[in-house]
Amino acid sequence: KQEVTQIPAALSVPEGENLVLNCSFTDSAIYNLQWFRQDPGKGLTSLLLIQSSQREQTSGRLNASLDKSSGRSTLYIAASQPGDSATYLCAVRNTNAGKSTFGDGTTLTVKP
Amino acid sequence: DTGVSQDPRHKITKRGQNVTFRCDPISEHNRLYWYRQTLGQGPEFLTYFQNEAQLEKSRLLSDRFSAERPKGSFSTLEIQRTEQGDSAMYLCASSRGDSYEQYFGPGTRLTVT
Repeated sequence: KQEVTQIPAALSVPEGENLVLNCSFTDSAIYNLQWFRQDPGKGLTSLLLIQSSQREQTSGRLNASLDKSSGRSTLYIAASQPGDSATYLCAVRNTNAGKSTFGDGTTLTVKP
Repeated sequence: DTGVSQDPRHKITKRGQNVTFRCDPISEHNRLYWYRQTLGQGPEFLTYFQNEAQLEKSRLLSDRFSAERPKGSFSTLEIQRTEQGDSAMYLCASSRGDSYEQYFGPGTRLTVT
């Protein structure tokens, strides 16, 4: 059974800081891994999708990496802004069908 | 793409009542997923459709829950005889192609009193 852990549960940083969010998974036989952002009371917004054959993906100030052998993914946010404040979730898919297993997220607060 | 839409956005019901939620996926997305999320937790998988076929169901989906996707377009999730423990955000997502990138709707927040 796949288990996904995100540590820390909450993170507070000053504006402008570069930061790294972590995602660990127990079953390394993954199909893909997806990072999402969720604002309070809202749905999930897809940020980056990494296929199992890829090592990293980049979009603007965001960079996600994947190390299957160690069961880890990181989301790097450069030059953080108050608008980046949200909960960040990672989701792991083990097969080309059906469920993704989510972590419980890291709630990020970027202070002006 | 107009995005995934869900209706209603909020539902308050009394324990024991039946409720039905609707999800309209992004057009031409052949896969549709339902998840449930409680406060402070990540979404939990409920069920998955490829076109009109329901291919996977979680053990979380008790016999009080049923989902359909007639004609492979919109989907409905029905909860019968609601319980207070059913209070949660119900999220729908869709995807297509080989990437399986999921796009989520805004969710339906259910409160059972």
